[in-house]
Amino acid sequence: DIQMTQSPSTLSASVGDRVTITCRASQSISSWLAWYQQKPGKAPKLLIYKASSLESGVPSRFSGSGSGTEFTLTISSLQPDDFATYYCQQYNSYSRTFGGGTKVEIK
Amino acid sequence: EVQLVESGGGLVKPGGSLRLSCAASGFTFSSYSMNWVRQAPGKGLEWVSSISSSSSYIYYADSVKGRFTISRDNAKNSLYLQMNSLRAEDTAVYYCARDQMATNYFDYWGQGTLVTVSS
Repeated sequence: DIQMTQSPSTLSASVGDRVTITCRASQSISSWLAWYQQKPGKAPKLLIYKASSLESGVPSRFSGSGSGTEFTLTISSLQPDDFATYYCQQYNSYSRTFGGGTKVEIK
Repeated sequence: EVQLVESGGGLVKPGGSLRLSCAASGFTFSSYSMNWVRQAPGKGLEWVSSISSSSSYIYYADSVKGRFTISRDNAKNSLYLQMNSLRAEDTAVYYCARDQMATNYFDYWGQGTLVTVSS
């Protein structure tokens, strides 16, 4: 199975900060990567698919980049609603796998 | 509006069985592959199983292979997960999730149903 490693596991930031989360795959997954946001007690929400495509309705401050084995999720200006946990997910193979998650906390 | 509503969770003893259901509405259910994804308390997300639109292709995570069975009834717009030989490590919130058409990422999720395996 393809392993996904996210870093950092926790991130402390302030409103207005630029935030970057990294996701690394154990082998090349081309651009078959999605990002999700999850708030406590809620289901995950799709933010980005195919590494850099923004899901409809998602604010443009979210962006994704990368290909192969290295990917990033960037929030250009952190808003109060963005404090949550973020997961990457590869879908290069039928056995999809998630990263361990990055919790974005208020500094 | 796409809606996915899970049911069937609860408390079960180790070695026991449980059947989860997911009722879908707001889209043509028979056209989409569907999935189960779980999340243990305080932990990350784990894909469990997938089933194609016509049930022709079915996949499982190694952690549940041989114990769980995914199925669907397109006439009833419903997805199921039969869970047998349950273990403490199967304790989790189980989410039903839809695949975006012809891809393998999850564009809609249900609210989840909690399964607790404990004696």
